[in-house]
Amino acid sequence: GQSLEQPSEVTAVEGAIVQINCTYQTSGFYGLSWYQQHDGGAPTFLSYNGLDGLEETGRFSSFLSRSDSYGYLLLQELQMKDSASYFCAAFSGGYNKLIFGAGTRLAVHP
Amino acid sequence: DGGITQSPKYLFRKEGQNVTLSCEQNLNHDAMYWYRQDPGQGLRLIYYSQIVNDFQKGDIAEGYSVSREKKESFPLTVTSAQKNPTAFYLCASKTRESGELFFGEGSRLTVL
Repeated sequence: GQSLEQPSEVTAVEGAIVQINCTYQTSGFYGLSWYQQHDGGAPTFLSYNGLDGLEETGRFSSFLSRSDSYGYLLLQELQMKDSASYFCAAFSGGYNKLIFGAGTRLAVHP
Repeated sequence: DGGITQSPKYLFRKEGQNVTLSCEQNLNHDAMYWYRQDPGQGLRLIYYSQIVNDFQKGDIAEGYSVSREKKESFPLTVTSAQKNPTAFYLCASKTRESGELFFGEGSRLTVL
C-alpha cells in the first residue's frame, strides 16, 4: 500500500526549532513535498526534495533520505504565525499522483 | 493575476442530490487534481488529470465523477452514490515538470 506517517501534533515556543518527521511507503517514489495549511485555508507549498539531502528556504529546511524512506521539515526561529498544519506528500506511481500524509498540527506558544 | 478559482465557496444540498463543484485555472498548467479533506484529516486524492480528455482515479473516487474537456477546467460532480459527501474539497494544479501544487481556496460542501 501507499502511506505517509507523521506525528499528529507538535508544540513549541516562539524562537525555538522544531522538526516534523515523515516516513513513507509508496511505489514508484519520485520525491517528497511539504505543505502548510492554516485553519480554514488552502495548503501552500513549502518545499520539494527530489534527491537525498537538505533543501533550505529561509527559516524552513527539508531533508530526504531515500534509503531510509524518511524525510523531515525543520522550522527555525519559530513565530506565532507558524502555528498551522504541516503535511508531507509524495509522488507515487508517477510524477503526477501526489499522496498526502494526515498532517502534523504545530502549535507555537509565547 | 494567475490562479485557481473554485466555486462555490460554500454549498448546501439535500441528501440524494448531485452537486457539481467548479475549478478553473489560468496558470496554463497541464495537471489538475481534486482532493477531499475531512476535519482534522489529511488530503485524500479523488481524481487527477494530466492532460485534456484524460483523467485517473485517486484513492477515493467512488461516488465522484470528473471531466477535462478544456485545459483550464476540471469540474467535480459529487453524486448521490457518495455515502458521506460533507467535506472540504480542494482543487489544485501543477505544470508537468514541477513538484509544486497550487491550490484553490476550496469548496465546503454540507449535505443536510
